[in-house]
Amino acid sequence: DAKTTQPPSMDCAEGRAANLPCNHSTISGNEYVYWYRQIHSQGPQYIIHGLKNNETNEMASLIITEDRKSSTLILPHATLRDTAVYYCIVRVFYTGNQFYFGTGTSLTVIP
Amino acid sequence: DGGITQSPKYLFRKEGQNVTLSCEQNLNHDAMYWYRQDPGQGLRLIYYSQIVNDFQKGDIAEGYSVSREKKESFPLTVTSAQKNPTAFYLCASSGVPVDRLNTEAFFGQGTRLTVV
Repeated sequence: DAKTTQPPSMDCAEGRAANLPCNHSTISGNEYVYWYRQIHSQGPQYIIHGLKNNETNEMASLIITEDRKSSTLILPHATLRDTAVYYCIVRVFYTGNQFYFGTGTSLTVIP
Repeated sequence: DGGITQSPKYLFRKEGQNVTLSCEQNLNHDAMYWYRQDPGQGLRLIYYSQIVNDFQKGDIAEGYSVSREKKESFPLTVTSAQKNPTAFYLCASSGVPVDRLNTEAFFGQGTRLTVV
């Protein structure tokens, strides 16, 4: 599976958009990009995933570059409850079903 | 409610004892996973199973064992061979992907194991 690179930490002002980048330069054609977040000492929570088109749901938007080598998770109006570690994962769609997590980005939303 | 349940939430064991962590799901998911998380670290895959009676090692399987006798259950045994068993253990499940839907993993709330 392709590896991902994320900044270790970021801050965002409450009410502003939080833009979390992820680099996955070795991603292959059958790998999807998934985003999860983990609030301290809880199980990770699914946010969104996509292949090559931009995706939006009630939680966030996912922007994937045309070459698919990087992506950005956007939380449009960050709240204090969005403070968490955010994980970007690339996952082989057909084989093995593994989800490999890196160390993620620790997002702190500041009042 | 459908979901994935891990029990217990906190577990204490003496060094040298085997201990089994429970993971049950009622989501009708075929795939199940076990992860280990150490303080300040990401999740590392221990074992995963795509179907009943079949499972594969992840990156850190040494010192652990699993079974998958039922679709709903995927217990993890931490054996005395695991050198540093104290950690936060997370179980997850997902549907086998047949299209872009039904592919995300759902996680339990974890079991914090402390070996003294």
